[in-house]
Amino acid sequence: DVQLVESGGGSIQPGGSLRLSCAASGFTVNTNYMNWVRQAPGGGLEWVSVTYNSGSTYYADSVKGRFTVSRDNSKNTLYLQMNSLRAEDTAVYYCARDGRGSGFDDWGQGTLVTVSS
Amino acid sequence: DIVMSQSPDSLAVSLGERATINCKSRQSVLHSSNNRNYLAWYQQRPGQPPHLLISWASTRESGVPDRFSGSGSGTDFTLTISSLQAEDVAVYYCQQYYSAPYTFGQGTKLEIK
Repeated sequence: DVQLVESGGGSIQPGGSLRLSCAASGFTVNTNYMNWVRQAPGGGLEWVSVTYNSGSTYYADSVKGRFTVSRDNSKNTLYLQMNSLRAEDTAVYYCARDGRGSGFDDWGQGTLVTVSS
Repeated sequence: DIVMSQSPDSLAVSLGERATINCKSRQSVLHSSNNRNYLAWYQQRPGQPPHLLISWASTRESGVPDRFSGSGSGTDFTLTISSLQAEDVAVYYCQQYYSAPYTFGQGTKLEIK
């Protein structure tokens, strides 16, 4: 069975950094399109990034230059390095797999990031 | 960027009645190479991650009840729940996966009347 487990969330002051992890099982991260999606408290879904199986990554304008995605193929894990965090980055962060190029088939349970002084 | 907008923002429907949610994209998500609409619908129940219901605008995912259906093409799409059940209370989102950024609509909150 496919499983995605996010971790690494927590409380951080503005300007700080945090690294989220998304550990995958049941499939191989580097052969799928992997996405990060976030949801502010009480808000809607906001797409953050996609990493294609080629390794190319695209980011939302709201995080470009501050967030970086990487993969560790040996651990079958996707990472989201978040720098220069702002209050508006406060959200539950989900990783999601697009296994067929037709929408996000599988989602993790999410990890909460709170940016506050 | 392709902007997605949904209507209404919230909807209250009686059990057993039909619920209709609309989604509009600012530009077409119909790809000429394969004549497919790159449009998905998700359901998000309270406290849960989103769940993919429909892809390609009208293809139900495995295990999704047939009371859920999607329609539309180009820029205008509809999600219909033919006979509302209590477990359908959720927020519904449309999303285009035609081109990055893979934008979502703002969501439609569906409640029981």
